[in-house]
Amino acid sequence: EDQVTQSPEALRLQEGESSSLNCSYTVSGLRGLFWYRQDPGKGPEFLFTLYSAGEEKEKERLKATLTKKESFLHITAPKPEDSATYLCAVQARLTSGTYKYIFGTGTRLKVLA
Amino acid sequence: DTEVTQTPKHLVMGMTNKKSLKCEQHMGHRAMYWYKQKAKKPPELMFVYSYEKLSINESVPSRFSPECPNSSLLNLHLHALQPEDSALYLCASSRRTGTANTEAFFGQGTRLTVV
Repeated sequence: EDQVTQSPEALRLQEGESSSLNCSYTVSGLRGLFWYRQDPGKGPEFLFTLYSAGEEKEKERLKATLTKKESFLHITAPKPEDSATYLCAVQARLTSGTYKYIFGTGTRLKVLA
Repeated sequence: DTEVTQTPKHLVMGMTNKKSLKCEQHMGHRAMYWYKQKAKKPPELMFVYSYEKLSINESVPSRFSPECPNSSLLNLHLHALQPEDSALYLCASSRRTGTANTEAFFGQGTRLTVV
């Protein structure tokens, strides 16, 4: 069964304290892995797409990496405005030939000033 | 422009009411999605439209009725909802569903409360 697991569930960091969020997945034939940021009561905001093992993407203080079984979202010197829930999703191919996105449960990040 | 617009932002409805949620995108995307999200949970897929045709219905109760009038618009018609249907309803779109590596873009959601 296709599955996405994120850890930790929640993370509190001091401003400037770098850390990493983990997304591990089991999917029959990865077609794409996506990272989103979600603020409370808002829709997920797209951050990155990763296609193949070894790929890396960066945006400001965020860097996403991908291996064959997991992805990491590294946050370097975070600021309070980075506080949000970070969601990981994978594309799974259905028997009909279409794709759907399977989301992990997210990591709630709180950065303290 | 990667904007998906949802209206209304907030909706309170009684269990006997009929209401509709609306979603619009002008990115030329041919796949559109409805998700339901409860507090501190990930989005759960409800429906997928591909080229204006319903391609996935995740066994959603019939009190939720989707409609895709054209390639830019997606509606969700609500009737006889239950209090447990209260949630954040998210619309998303992507270039296509028949190919891989296509990220989905989300709207800001409609916060629905059923009383």
